[in-house]
Amino acid sequence: RKEVEQDPGPFNVPEGATVAFNCTYSNSASQSFFWYRQDCRKEPKLLMSVYSSGNEDGRFTAQLNRASQYISLLIRDSKLSDSATYLCVVGGIGGATNKLIFGTGTLLAVQP
Amino acid sequence: EAGVAQSPRYKIIEKRQSVAFWCNPISGHATLYWYQQILGQGPKLLIQFQNNGVVDDSQLPKDRFSAERLKGVDSTLKIQPAKLEDSAVYFCASSLSGAPGYTFGSGTRLTVV
Repeated sequence: RKEVEQDPGPFNVPEGATVAFNCTYSNSASQSFFWYRQDCRKEPKLLMSVYSSGNEDGRFTAQLNRASQYISLLIRDSKLSDSATYLCVVGGIGGATNKLIFGTGTLLAVQP
Repeated sequence: EAGVAQSPRYKIIEKRQSVAFWCNPISGHATLYWYQQILGQGPKLLIQFQNNGVVDDSQLPKDRFSAERLKGVDSTLKIQPAKLEDSAVYFCASSLSGAPGYTFGSGTRLTVV
């Protein structure tokens, strides 16, 4: 079983749509959770951290369910510029607070 | 703030040749990472340095890959000899000690033919 699993997509959605990505992780000792965004042929960039209480940043909402070992990202009112690969990332395993494990990513294509 | 610098941006080599990549992290970032991203996959950690010491190199193919971080600043990653399956983008990233977020460099795209 992969440490971090995501649906690779692609998700093709029209502008203005709401889209949700899901992710599961295998190690219950994981302590930190993130979503990164990666544009085509570019480096990954931190989109947002994910907290147990859920958190929101503009059109983006992230949620964490530790009991189910499940992370989600919701994007409302999709823009063309949201087209990218979204990487689910888990860290803090075994006390190594800095070590991050990346999922394979979910490709989002927002259509005009 | 200057970002993580990497060079070269692109490299094409023949199998069995050697290649080296260079990284200069953000000033003051004690932790440096090298990640390998094969097309269609997420980045995979190869090695993590804390200052000039290795913290984790469990996924580094040590028969052909080596990395060093002399003086706790710049780092080099070397592959010798390269195989076709080493074709990937190699990212360097850095972070402050204890900080969970990374800053990635723009990567080196390696093609082995």
